[in-house]
Parts: sequence; C-alpha cells; structure tokens
Amino acid sequence: LAKTTQPISMDSYEGQEVNITCSHNNIATNDYITWYQQFPSQGPRFIIQGYKTKVTNEVASLFIPADRKSSTLSLPRVSLSDTAVYYCLVGGMEYGNKLVFGAGTILRVKS
Amino acid sequence: EPEVTQTPSHQVTQMGQEVILRCVPISNHLYFYWYRQILGQKVEFLVSFYNNEISEKSEIFDDQFSVERPDGSNFTLKIRSTKLEDSAMYFCASSAGGPYNEQFFGPGTRLTVL
Repeated sequence: LAKTTQPISMDSYEGQEVNITCSHNNIATNDYITWYQQFPSQGPRFIIQGYKTKVTNEVASLFIPADRKSSTLSLPRVSLSDTAVYYCLVGGMEYGNKLVFGAGTILRVKS
Repeated sequence: EPEVTQTPSHQVTQMGQEVILRCVPISNHLYFYWYRQILGQKVEFLVSFYNNEISEKSEIFDDQFSVERPDGSNFTLKIRSTKLEDSAMYFCASSAGGPYNEQFFGPGTRLTVL
C-alpha cells in the first residue's frame, strides 16, 4: 500500500476555500485515491474518490495531477461544521479491501 | 438513508471479562469490517468478513477476538478476555462492493476496560 503524507493540521475561516494536499509518491498503477472525513466520536465518512484529473461531487473536488504522486482535496466555502479530521487513502478498488488510515489532517474552521 | 447501527454505544467492563459488540450492517451489503480507534490515535483495521468467513485480519486480531454473523442482519465482534489496552472506540463498517468500494461506518462503541 502506498504511504501517504498530509499536513497534521490546518486552520481556516468560514466561507473560505480549503485545499488539503496529500503526497503519495509510491502510488501503484491500479491504486485509487479516496478521502474520508471523521467528526469527533463518529465513524469515518466517505467524501470522494478519483483516479486521475479532477473529480467533483456535491461536497468536494479532488484534483490529481498527471503523475498521480499527489492529490488535493478542495472544500469550497467551509463552515464551522466542516471541522473534522480528513484522511487521504490510497489503494486498490478490489471489493472488500480494508481501508488503511494514516493520521489525517485536522481541519479547524473558525468564525 | 440506510445506515450502520451499533450497540451498545458505550460498554464498561472489567479486565478479563468477555464482551460482545453488536452491529447491524446496511441490509444489502456483502462485506463487513471491524476497525478500532484508540483515543487520540488513528483508525486501525481489525478484520474483514465476506461470505460467512474472515477474508482478512490484522495482527491486532489475535485469538482473543472473533467475529460472527449469527443471522441475516447482525455482525458481532467478541473479545474473550479483555485487557486494559483493548479500551478504544470500535467501528463496524459495511460495503456493497460497488463503485468506489465505499465503506459505511457505524457510530461506534466506546469500550472501556477497567
């Protein structure tokens, strides 16, 4: 499994766009990049997944450069409720695969 | 929206006692998992379960741990003889095996071993 590196923490203000970058230099050809979010005392929640270029859903965008050695999760116009830990995971999409979580990035949104 | 449920939300037990943590996965899901998170640490994989058998387990999942799907809806994690270091949040998850291999997590059971 590819090792991932993300900032330990980030601070932002309400209404701002937040970009969290994850490095995964050893990503394999069949690996996908997935982001999960975890609020305090809750289980992680899937946010977005991509393989290359850009993916957008109602919650976030995921930017993946051509070399796929990094990825950026973009959260538009954050609110206080976006304060959470964000995890970048890299791995295959085989059914039933375990998820391997790193330390994640603690995002604190202030008013 | 369907969700994974877990009971109890908090379990306090004495060291050496057996505990059973219960989960009801989303009904049409085929893959089931247990993870744990010690306070302040990362989420760790324990075991995955498919087609009524364990498909993968981590080093943490030793002989003191077992899982079972006793009927068509419940998925349980048993710890036979709890240790102080088993104190953690235990999350059950399930997935349909469809696009994204998205896993849906329950709210967790906080296990406190005294």
